[in-house]
Amino acid sequence: EAGVTQFPSHSVIEKGQTVTLRCDPISGHDNLYWYRRVMGKEIKFLLHFVKESKQDESGMPNNRFLAERTGGTYSTLKVQPAELEDSGVYFCASSLTGRHSYEQYFGPGTRLTVT
Amino acid sequence: AQSVTQPDIHITVSEGASLELRCNYSYGATPYLFWYVQSPGQGLQLLLKYFSGDTLVQGIKGFEAEFKRSQSSFNLRKPSVHWSDAAEYFCAVGLAYSGGGADGLTFGKGTHLIIQP
Repeated sequence: EAGVTQFPSHSVIEKGQTVTLRCDPISGHDNLYWYRRVMGKEIKFLLHFVKESKQDESGMPNNRFLAERTGGTYSTLKVQPAELEDSGVYFCASSLTGRHSYEQYFGPGTRLTVT
Repeated sequence: AQSVTQPDIHITVSEGASLELRCNYSYGATPYLFWYVQSPGQGLQLLLKYFSGDTLVQGIKGFEAEFKRSQSSFNLRKPSVHWSDAAEYFCAVGLAYSGGGADGLTFGKGTHLIIQP
């Protein structure tokens, strides 16, 4: 069974540009989460989808970040326009529903560098 | 708001020696507790979890953790470390959402484990 995949693995963009990160969850996982780790800091929750609906987006830093999950399958996280402080590693995770939803499976992350 | 503290940023252990990584959490109720490991170039892998019941939980790769409610701690242990255990370890807590499933996890800052030959 394929795990959570993320694309790209690395992205280097200039301040003001737009970047879109993609996450493909494990097949059948209704829950999808985005997290971010800024260098030297802890991994922080950004938002949570249940199927195509946003269950909790309390961790989104500001309105330059837009997450979508059309059709309840893969998800994208767009940063527009990117700022220097957006640099970090963006993780995606997925899980089943019910009690098993606590077992979140993480992807390898996308390292975003904004110059 | 809940928080997770991993007081040790780096820990160096000799191969074959025992290991204990500390984790304390702050929350009014007992959350769900997790330890994840991240090896270089890899995603986070779940080592073990505590939901309820027996306070000593066994995980993969020979790791175990003990939940101590009185100390709000969930320390990770391994009796004998191997060079392949060198990685970054994260303690995390989770809460339920109204739909009956898990919301986003709250992580500690992580502990880098260095193994000396």
